Amino acid sequence: GAGVSQSPRYKVAKRGQDVALRCDPISGHVSLFWYQQALGQGPEFLTYFQNEAQLDKSGLPSDRFFAERPEGSVSTLKIQRTQQEDSAVYLCASSIRTSGRGLYNEQFFGPGTRLTVL
Amino acid sequence: GDSVTQMEGPVTLSEEAFLTINCTYTATGYPSLFWYVQYPGEGLQLLLKATKADDKGSNKGFEATYRKETTSFHLEKGSVQVSDSAVYFCALSDRGSGGYNKLIFGAGTRLAVHP
Repeated sequence: GAGVSQSPRYKVAKRGQDVALRCDPISGHVSLFWYQQALGQGPEFLTYFQNEAQLDKSGLPSDRFFAERPEGSVSTLKIQRTQQEDSAVYLCASSIRTSGRGLYNEQFFGPGTRLTVL
Repeated sequence: GDSVTQMEGPVTLSEEAFLTINCTYTATGYPSLFWYVQYPGEGLQLLLKATKADDKGSNKGFEATYRKETTSFHLEKGSVQVSDSAVYFCALSDRGSGGYNKLIFGAGTRLAVHP
């Protein structure tokens, strides 16, 4: 399809397990974002990639969270030793980046992965 | 830091009623403002945007005006339809983010429209 896809759509993990969440951005999109959306809340920024470079990881809540985008396309968000507070929907978004300040490049969101940690 | 506050839901309306969802923001720079919508079972979609003060964003009958003096960006629609039932998120993006736009979202307002 032409949109952002994420897999799996649903993931149940036992506390302490490691999980990996995948994002396939729109082809050719340079920018990729990860957001975390807790139940009943708005999405919160986790990290940003420009091609393969992770330029901002200020939103990652702990060192258990790790993201990569090794070839500048598909990205994986990995959570080690999951905790119950990690239960949330994880959203991926991509956009075409153009140079210059003041330009907004629309972020296209995937359907999200709902992670439940028991 | 920057933040967005929007009215709590759920908002329940009858079809053809007037809709207002309030949104106010706090930002140190000159943000762009957005409304995103999340229909059941679907991903977030951009509904409308405004990039500077006094701009009016509009789409699908929805409107919002960037009011710098009141730091607000209220969403309005003159006549809602059942198909407008969704969760609406107000968001801002600081244009000074070095070429990329990290979005800051409000908590969302659920709208339910009944026939």
